[in-house]
Amino acid sequence: NAGVTQTPKFRILKIGQSMTLQCAQDMNHNYMYWYRQDPGMGLKLIYYSVGAGITDKGEVPNGYNVSRSTTEDFPLRLELAAPSQTSVYFCASSYASSEYNEQFFGPGTRLTVL
Amino acid sequence: DAKTTQPTSMDCAEGRAANLPCNHSTISGNEYVYWYRQIHSQGPQYIIHGLKNNETNEMASLIITEDRKSSTLILPHATLRDTAVYYCIVSGVEIIFGKGTRLHILP
Repeated sequence: NAGVTQTPKFRILKIGQSMTLQCAQDMNHNYMYWYRQDPGMGLKLIYYSVGAGITDKGEVPNGYNVSRSTTEDFPLRLELAAPSQTSVYFCASSYASSEYNEQFFGPGTRLTVL
Repeated sequence: DAKTTQPTSMDCAEGRAANLPCNHSTISGNEYVYWYRQIHSQGPQYIIHGLKNNETNEMASLIITEDRKSSTLILPHATLRDTAVYYCIVSGVEIIFGKGTRLHILP
């Protein structure tokens, strides 16, 4: 099992550019999440999905879009990148039930917007 | 906002037990307490979780008070590799991370 994989590892964008951060998991998890982490801060939830075709906003969704067309993949789209989106982005997945929700995290994507 | 409060930082001598406190006074009856840690800039790693009973696994022990308003994560014999930020989280579909406790293990 590769677990949760994220690509790219690093990216520099210019203001106004767009990009898609890729996330994939091979554990057949139903839930998937996107977080961002600014320097010295905790993780902020951007979007999450409880299954294919279902997505919901988290704490900080503005400036981002997601889709979940398959169980395995949960890409995060940045439209019109801004310097405030400079951050480390973590994707996570879990096989959640009403009693259990252990999340497995990917290695992160370090994004700089100049 | 996070449903938990934790000290910003703590020190612990190597080989001693590290006791990390967490307050979650607004926890609901069916919500679990989870602990994760983040070493340097890696993705967070699951440690342990519990509902109301004390729990132990190969990494740590979790002590939850009877009223469930607070808990303590115990690393029984801290090593330098346990230096990390530790997050206490009250579960739901959305998992909200606070700022966590930065644990320094002193040689």
